[in-house]
Amino acid sequence: KNEVEQSPQNLTAQEGEFITINCSYSVGISALHWLQQHPGGGIVSLFMLSSGKKKHGRLIATINIQEKHSSLHITASHPRDSAVYICAVSANTGNQFYFGTGTSLTVIP
Amino acid sequence: DAMVIQNPRYQVTQFGKPVTLSCSQTLNHNVMYWYQQKSSQAPKLLFHYYDKDFNNEADTPDNFQSRRPNTSFCFLDIRSPGLGDAAMYLCATSRERDETQYFGPGTRLLVL
Repeated sequence: KNEVEQSPQNLTAQEGEFITINCSYSVGISALHWLQQHPGGGIVSLFMLSSGKKKHGRLIATINIQEKHSSLHITASHPRDSAVYICAVSANTGNQFYFGTGTSLTVIP
Repeated sequence: DAMVIQNPRYQVTQFGKPVTLSCSQTLNHNVMYWYQQKSSQAPKLLFHYYDKDFNNEADTPDNFQSRRPNTSFCFLDIRSPGLGDAAMYLCATSRERDETQYFGPGTRLLVL
């Protein structure tokens, strides 16, 4: 069993739709990261969370530490949002990092 | 301005021939990470340096070594590449552990 589970694995949306990607984890964490990876390999860090909620433009990330769950929301989705979104956690023991397998998002014009 | 630079972007090596991948950063960050990412998989952390303190992940093969001669540079050495080591290798940095990581563009390694 993976320490970090993401859902859905694949997601197709129409332009303008509100999108939610979910991440659940099973370890104690000091931080949770949401990453975006475009085709060709480039990875961009979107958010780092340890509690509450963060917003950047059309992106919103929330985390519930008690439930060990985080969500990434994209409002008014656009084709340029098409990418793989990866959830990763820094465990609070042993300097361990755990990654989810990613959610592949395709936004259709 | 590039902040995390990886060279080369593409590397072809022969089975068993040692190869070194390079990462440099202009951010003066304390922490540097090396990840391996195979096709359609999430990145896998190989090791990281906190300053000069080397931290190896438990399941990183001995075939993979790393050097950090100074704050700006970190190298990934693959002593005897196998076909299964063909992957994208990503370098990242962060100011401190548990802070935002900044990724380089990656080096795609092909093993013939």
